[in-house]
Amino acid sequence: GENVGLHLPTLSVQEGDNSIINCAYSNSASDYFIWYKQESGKGPQFIIDIRSNMDKRQGQRVTVLLNKTVKHLSLQIAATQPGDSAVYFCAENPGSNYQLIWGAGTKLIIKP
Amino acid sequence: NAGVTQTPKFQVLKTGQSMTLQCAQDMNHEYMSWYRQDPGMGLRLIHYSVGAGITDQGEVPNGYNVSRSTTEDFPLRLLSAAPSQTSVYFCASSRPAVGPNTEAFFGQGTRLTVV
Repeated sequence: GENVGLHLPTLSVQEGDNSIINCAYSNSASDYFIWYKQESGKGPQFIIDIRSNMDKRQGQRVTVLLNKTVKHLSLQIAATQPGDSAVYFCAENPGSNYQLIWGAGTKLIIKP
Repeated sequence: NAGVTQTPKFQVLKTGQSMTLQCAQDMNHEYMSWYRQDPGMGLRLIHYSVGAGITDQGEVPNGYNVSRSTTEDFPLRLLSAAPSQTSVYFCASSRPAVGPNTEAFFGQGTRLTVV
């Protein structure tokens, strides 16, 4: 079935560098995408979202890029800090029943 | 504000036992949902509710029941626990349901082990 997936299960980044976490989706009807951050032992926390009529959205130190042509979503974190260590999930809304489809997650590891 | 409160945080059940996971939110959100998270996987939707008195099934509803008698509370019931239901369960709430500026708030999770 159609689902959301992630290219890399683990990403190691030097502290201070930029991080890019990627996500592929296969449902062309999806019109809304969200990134969540989950720290160890906690529930997911909203980071940023984007609608399908946009290709870029910026927040504080984070940017989400959407490429509908290749069905690709990415989360960029500028100047990665130790507090950014977490598992990052992308999720999509395929446009029905208020349901979100979640990817498997990417673990971001910050190297000192 | 307390946000989304889940209880208990940890639970061990024997196969065949039943129990209820509690979820309460104090943000007056219409939309509430229950997910399970298994190791190395994303969240899978069990049941959801778009308002008091309305519930619907998600991706993996079998073995679980829900009710939404008030806006604040959305309990999840395991009817007859099975080892396959060993997982971490998250409750979430948001307003509006899904769409622009939808920020879902999650509880801390309930770690359930069925032996």
